[in-house]
Amino acid sequence: GAVVSQHPSWVICKSGTSVKIECRSLDFQATTMFWYRQFPKQSLMLMATSNEGSKATYEQGVEKDKFLINHASLTLSTLTVTSAHPEDSSFYICSAGRQINYGYTFGSGTRLTVV
Amino acid sequence: GESVGLHLPTLSVQEGDNSIINCAYSNSASDYFIWYKQESGKGPQFIIDIRSNMDKRQGQRVTVLLNKTVKHLSLQIAATQPGDSAVYFCAENINNRLAFGKGNQVVVIP
Repeated sequence: GAVVSQHPSWVICKSGTSVKIECRSLDFQATTMFWYRQFPKQSLMLMATSNEGSKATYEQGVEKDKFLINHASLTLSTLTVTSAHPEDSSFYICSAGRQINYGYTFGSGTRLTVV
Repeated sequence: GESVGLHLPTLSVQEGDNSIINCAYSNSASDYFIWYKQESGKGPQFIIDIRSNMDKRQGQRVTVLLNKTVKHLSLQIAATQPGDSAVYFCAENINNRLAFGKGNQVVVIP
């Protein structure tokens, strides 16, 4: 159990375009989902916490207008990178948690390359 | 410009030997800790967790030790295998937000 699916696994887009990444909990309801980004040989940096039905909570320094997060259902959260630039190229990873369980399950990540 | 500090600490270990990976965490209020394994190009994979009311927990071939006095966490892997080669991260749970440590690369030498 506790499977999190992330899609797409990789994407290449042109500068100025927007890209949407999906994160789904397949066999449980995730009241909370988290979005991270990871640069090569670095740790995961928490970008934002999204709770179903409410606005996401962004970490300091993360532009909420650039990284749009939607958590419309208990099984789906999306991250949209708007007006992407080459410096947004990174590995984006989501994770999902259950309300009564401290465990967090991670998706397989999305490699975004902006050209 | 050239970036510095992008090399992860690396532990090279002979196959069959035990590995010990250390982590210093930041917040004395953290109540839950997790060790994750991350292989190249993949998301983190749960290894073992421990709550702050414990100082040791064992799993299959892995043991986590928690020293709250010095805010230190360690992961011991017994009889390390080639499949254990990966980057290992400790993470601490603060108010239901999971913050990751810097990571340690483990390279298993056959």
